[in-house]
Amino acid sequence: DAEITQSPRHKITETGRQVTLACHQTWNHNNMFWYRQDLGHGLRLIHYSYGVHDTNKGEVSDGYSVSRSNTEDLPLTLESAASSQTSVYFCASRELRDTTYNEQFFGPGTRLTVL
Amino acid sequence: AQSVTQLDSHVSVSEGTPVLLRCNYSSSYSPSLFWYVQHPNKGLQLLLKYTSAATLVKGINGFEAEFKKSETSFHLTKPSAHMSDAAEYFCVVTLYSSASKIIFGSGTRLSIRP
Repeated sequence: DAEITQSPRHKITETGRQVTLACHQTWNHNNMFWYRQDLGHGLRLIHYSYGVHDTNKGEVSDGYSVSRSNTEDLPLTLESAASSQTSVYFCASRELRDTTYNEQFFGPGTRLTVL
Repeated sequence: AQSVTQLDSHVSVSEGTPVLLRCNYSSSYSPSLFWYVQHPNKGLQLLLKYTSAATLVKGINGFEAEFKKSETSFHLTKPSAHMSDAAEYFCVVTLYSSASKIIFGSGTRLSIRP
């Protein structure tokens, strides 16, 4: 069965370190997303991609970057981790054709703690 | 501007009683609307979606939602709550094909009393 996976599931790091969160989907979806989920804020869009070599900034992109070298993967990098980036991070994907009607498929999440 | 409001941050019902989770949206155009459920420490899972076909949409686990354009609402209901329904529920609005136009509500936490 197709799926979307994230790794690691839990990560503790220190302020200033570079961290990369992995996202891998086997749906063959062109549209991929990264969100962060914080109490009181729901899900907020960090970055998204429409396909290979395409990346776009979302609502809360400062301090984050992504790259899309193939269809399956969209790694999220925190260049210099800050305590404000402690959060739960979700990756999602979606079929690009007729996207208005298509739901997103979400990964299980990565809980990141920045000390 | 497009927005979505979930009117209750927390709803508590007794097992076996009806569930109503309210969602209102604001959009200049006909949107697509979704309800997702998130169980503790899990990702979001699609419950149901409205895409301009039938206004009453049936989803998984006995949930359904009715699109009411005149009220700009898309409330989620279930006739009889089960303990396993305890979770966070998100109403989502999508306008056009742009990934940046997916708007999430702030979520409603549903608690089920035995």
